[in-house]
Amino acid sequence: GDSVTQMEGPVTLSEEAFLTINCTYTATGYPSLFWYVQYPGEGLQLLLKATKADDKGSNKGFEATYRKETTSFHLEKGSVQVSDSAVYFCALSAILNNDMRFGAGTRLTVKP
Amino acid sequence: EAQVTQNPRYLITVTGKKLTVTCSQNMNHEYMSWYRQDPGLGLRQIYYSMNVEVTDKGDVPEGYKVSRKEKRNFPLILESPSPNQTSLYFCASSLAGSLGGYTFGSGTRLTVV
Repeated sequence: GDSVTQMEGPVTLSEEAFLTINCTYTATGYPSLFWYVQYPGEGLQLLLKATKADDKGSNKGFEATYRKETTSFHLEKGSVQVSDSAVYFCALSAILNNDMRFGAGTRLTVKP
Repeated sequence: EAQVTQNPRYLITVTGKKLTVTCSQNMNHEYMSWYRQDPGLGLRQIYYSMNVEVTDKGDVPEGYKVSRKEKRNFPLILESPSPNQTSLYFCASSLAGSLGGYTFGSGTRLTVV
């Protein structure tokens, strides 16, 4: 079945460092891909999405490109802030239904 | 404000005592789903509903029940909770066939002792 694998954490960075969180997927067909963010004590919030190959999703300085050839959707940010500390989830959703598959999550801690 | 509302936020209960976690959305979404979040396992789907009176099992349905009598509500029922159901639970909703992603509730942290 469809699945998502993302890099294990935790990831600890200094403020203004470059961030990459790797995500690869396995799916039949052409899924939509998502990154969600979970701040402490809160539910998941949609960070960005891409619905077809070569699409780039972006939001709040974060970017991810849908790479069909490598089945990847890596999350990047050029300069992280302390406020970016959270757990990040990669997810996919099949086109024909609403079934969303999540990765295990990657905890990011940004230190001043 | 468009939102998914779960109650309660925190619950401690004893083994075998039936409980219900409520979920309500005000966005007229057809699709609703329940997940549990456990360390190292990410989110695993318990049950989902494509519309009123249409529900189906997710990946980990054992020990849970749901109902969808109205479009806005999707309660999660634990008839006889056990300690292995101690977890963080999330309700989510979306438009049918949505490519826009889910809207999540704030979560319910359940402890079964």
